[in-house]
Amino acid sequence: DTAVSQTPKYLVTQMGNDKSIKCEQNLGHDTMYWYKQDSKKFLKIMFSYNNKELIINETVPNRFSPKSPDKAHLNLHINSLELGDSAVYFCASSQDQASGRGQFFGPGTRLTVL
Amino acid sequence: RKEVEQDPGPFNVPEGATVAFNCTYSNSASQSFFWYRQDCRKEPKLLMSVYSSGNEDGRFTAQLNRASQYISLLIRDSKLSDSATYLCVAYNAGNMLTFGGGTRLMVKP
Repeated sequence: DTAVSQTPKYLVTQMGNDKSIKCEQNLGHDTMYWYKQDSKKFLKIMFSYNNKELIINETVPNRFSPKSPDKAHLNLHINSLELGDSAVYFCASSQDQASGRGQFFGPGTRLTVL
Repeated sequence: RKEVEQDPGPFNVPEGATVAFNCTYSNSASQSFFWYRQDCRKEPKLLMSVYSSGNEDGRFTAQLNRASQYISLLIRDSKLSDSATYLCVAYNAGNMLTFGGGTRLMVKP
């Protein structure tokens, strides 16, 4: 069983479109995250949710809107896609906010904006 | 200055070699530290936590020096399968993991 799953794995779309990426974890974790890894391979946190509540919102354009229908799911909706949004987006989860035990990552969604 | 800094490498070593990676962090309030491993086009995976007393997991040894704000990872008897990018990670109050840019290791036959 996949612990943290994301769909789709690949997403190719035109500038200006709106797209969503879905994430689910079956680990029973309370906290979920979205990260962006750019072409230079730096991983940066975008959002964090704990028990469906937003706890971290880094400086991310408001075109990006996370939604957590329950603590096992954290989806990412992106409006008006731009070329600079091309990256790999990773979902992750951890047992709790303390993250003292590290985080588990999904396989990533490779987004290409044309 | 980046909050977590690593030498990007690549480190090219022969099988069986011992290799060490270093990492420095700038936020003295960082509470916990980790090493993650990321294979090409894959997700990062937790390799090990790093404790002040130093800790070992098989061929891997991690050390933390809080006074110097320095973390290290030592890999003994390198295997071909150790080839990957190794990410140094600091956990800060505010529930954030801050990742270094990674150090690429290539183990050659």
